[in-house]
Amino acid sequence: GENVEQHPSTLSVQEGDSAVIKCTYSDSASNYFPWYKQELGKGPQLIIDIRSNVGEKKDQRIAVTLNKTAKHFSLHITETQPEDSAVYFCAASEGGTDKLIFGTGTRLQVFP
Amino acid sequence: EPEVTQTPSHQVTQMGQEVILRCVPISNHLYFYWYRQILGQKVEFLVSFYNNEISEKSEIFDDQFSVERPDGSNFTLKIRSTKLEDSAMYFCASIRGGNEAFFGQGTRLTVV
Repeated sequence: GENVEQHPSTLSVQEGDSAVIKCTYSDSASNYFPWYKQELGKGPQLIIDIRSNVGEKKDQRIAVTLNKTAKHFSLHITETQPEDSAVYFCAASEGGTDKLIFGTGTRLQVFP
Repeated sequence: EPEVTQTPSHQVTQMGQEVILRCVPISNHLYFYWYRQILGQKVEFLVSFYNNEISEKSEIFDDQFSVERPDGSNFTLKIRSTKLEDSAMYFCASIRGGNEAFFGQGTRLTVV
């Protein structure tokens, strides 16, 4: 089955700096890669996703890149703000299904 | 904006007792899921449900677990005889079609 690795586990940045979180996956049949933001006491919130037929996707300060050959994908947050502080999870669909396999999470702290 | 709602937000139960966690998925969604997150760990898939039957379940989802969509709007997860290790956040998610999964706020289950 699918296995998703995520790094780093914690990330501290100064407000205004960029943050990059990286994930690798094992199942070459995976075709959907969402990123979720989880604030304390809340459920995961979808912030951006990418499908396997696309290499990059951007939404304002957030971008995701996908390298299918290397089986890795990354989340890029530019001009970070304190409200970006949260735990971020990457996920990959297992094979061609809707079942998501999550990474272990990255706790992002943005200091003013 | 439509959202997935879960009740209760927190449930404390004695070991060996039965619990039912409730979810109201987004109304025009067709695929329903339960995920679990043990404190500080990653989100893990439990079960997927489509067309009134389980489509896939994980190793975690043993005979103590069951799911039901009793009335066309609610989606429930039942744990027949809770164990200490069942303590976790339980998230319900729903998908209309495609892959975008929307998660509820979660139910924190504490087994004592």
